[in-house]
Amino acid sequence: QSVLTQPPSVSGAPGQRVTISCTGSRSNLGSGYDVHWYQQLPGTAPRLLIYGNKNRPSGVPDRFSGSKSATSASLVITGLQAEDEADYYCLSFDYILNGGVLGTGTRVTVL
Amino acid sequence: QMQLVESGGGEVQPGRSLRLSCAGSGFPFSVYAIHWVRQAPGKGLEWVAGISYDGGIKYYTESVKGRFTISRDNSRTTVYLQMDSLRPEDTARYSCARDSGAVAGTGWFDPWGQGTLVTVSS
Repeated sequence: QSVLTQPPSVSGAPGQRVTISCTGSRSNLGSGYDVHWYQQLPGTAPRLLIYGNKNRPSGVPDRFSGSKSATSASLVITGLQAEDEADYYCLSFDYILNGGVLGTGTRVTVL
Repeated sequence: QMQLVESGGGEVQPGRSLRLSCAGSGFPFSVYAIHWVRQAPGKGLEWVAGISYDGGIKYYTESVKGRFTISRDNSRTTVYLQMDSLRPEDTARYSCARDSGAVAGTGWFDPWGQGTLVTVSS
């Protein structure tokens, strides 16, 4: 069950800024659980982009940034590049479901 | 380096069973929770199940409760997913991922394995 809602798609020209939202509820993001973000290129395993709401693992470009407020979170890509064309997912935990919850996924297209 | 490798996928008829394995290496396996995540063809990621570092706590998504069982053998650095009463809607690539913590709740998943394909069809 996808209890974290993302826009199906976002697009932008190279160099532009795009924002992907992740909307949850009181039982997940609203209860203080962290959100994490992943990038998935076709045919590959998800790659961790942001952990703990806003932290970037080593090797992730600083054009990726994350934030969280109440029951929603955002992933921002500034200076969009062709290689950023991929699917993006948010991840958190839900205490009512007592398990992990993944977002519905967003396809980023570079125009 | 840290690695997870899945095995055990295949094609089965509805109602039959399959056991998936997830072998970890390159990190202290027994201190981390491990999760299974699936992705149906052309669809998004779906969290399926998780297990705490010592196997004492197990988590399941609603649609697999009573049909799937997650377990682990830390001596073999392996997590298993026993899938019974399989349905066509269980068809997906199943990947395992390491939690950053010992129990599910606050951690992120990294690394992920490449997955093993399960097809449920008559």
